[in-house]
Amino acid sequence: DTAVSQTPKYLVTQMGNDKSIKCEQNLGHDTMYWYKQDSKKFLKIMFSYNNKELIINETVPNRFSPKSPDKAHLNLHINSLELGDSAVYFCASSLFGDFPSSYNEQFFGPGTRLTVL
Amino acid sequence: LAKTTQPISMDSYEGQEVNITCSHNNIATNDYITWYQQFPSQGPRFIIQGYKTKVTNEVASLFIPADRKSSTLSLPRVSLSDTAVYYCLVAEGGGADGLTFGKGTHLIIQP
Repeated sequence: DTAVSQTPKYLVTQMGNDKSIKCEQNLGHDTMYWYKQDSKKFLKIMFSYNNKELIINETVPNRFSPKSPDKAHLNLHINSLELGDSAVYFCASSLFGDFPSSYNEQFFGPGTRLTVL
Repeated sequence: LAKTTQPISMDSYEGQEVNITCSHNNIATNDYITWYQQFPSQGPRFIIQGYKTKVTNEVASLFIPADRKSSTLSLPRVSLSDTAVYYCLVAEGGGADGLTFGKGTHLIIQP
């Protein structure tokens, strides 16, 4: 069984469209994340949710809106897509932890390659 | 999050031990050091994490000096399948704040 799954794997769309990427994890984790990896391979955190509540919201345009219907799902909706949104988007999940507990590794999905034309 | 610096690329040969060093001079008391591996067209995969001294698991070892300002990932007897990008990250506490990945080290293993 796939631990963290994303759909679709590839997404090609026109500028100005609205699209969604879905993410599901079956690991029983309580924290989920969205990352963006650009063409230079930098991977940056966008959002983090713990128990369906937003705990991180990095400097991301408000065209990006995460939605967490339950602990196992974190979807990413993008409005008015722009050329610069083209990237690979990764979903991840982990257990939530605070120091001095051990670091909780993140499990990443396979990624969704978004191409905006 | 503490900034990390690591070599952009490294080459080695099958069967060799590979050591990748990362510097993180402004690491904080409650930060953990963690390493991830990424193959093309895949998401990053956790390799190892540590706080201080030495940690070893079935795939790698992590050496952390007493001042914790650097760390070294050691891959024993590498194979061609170890060719990947390796990211050193400093994670605050349990890491729930998310991770900031740099460019990583592109390790190329040759026959």
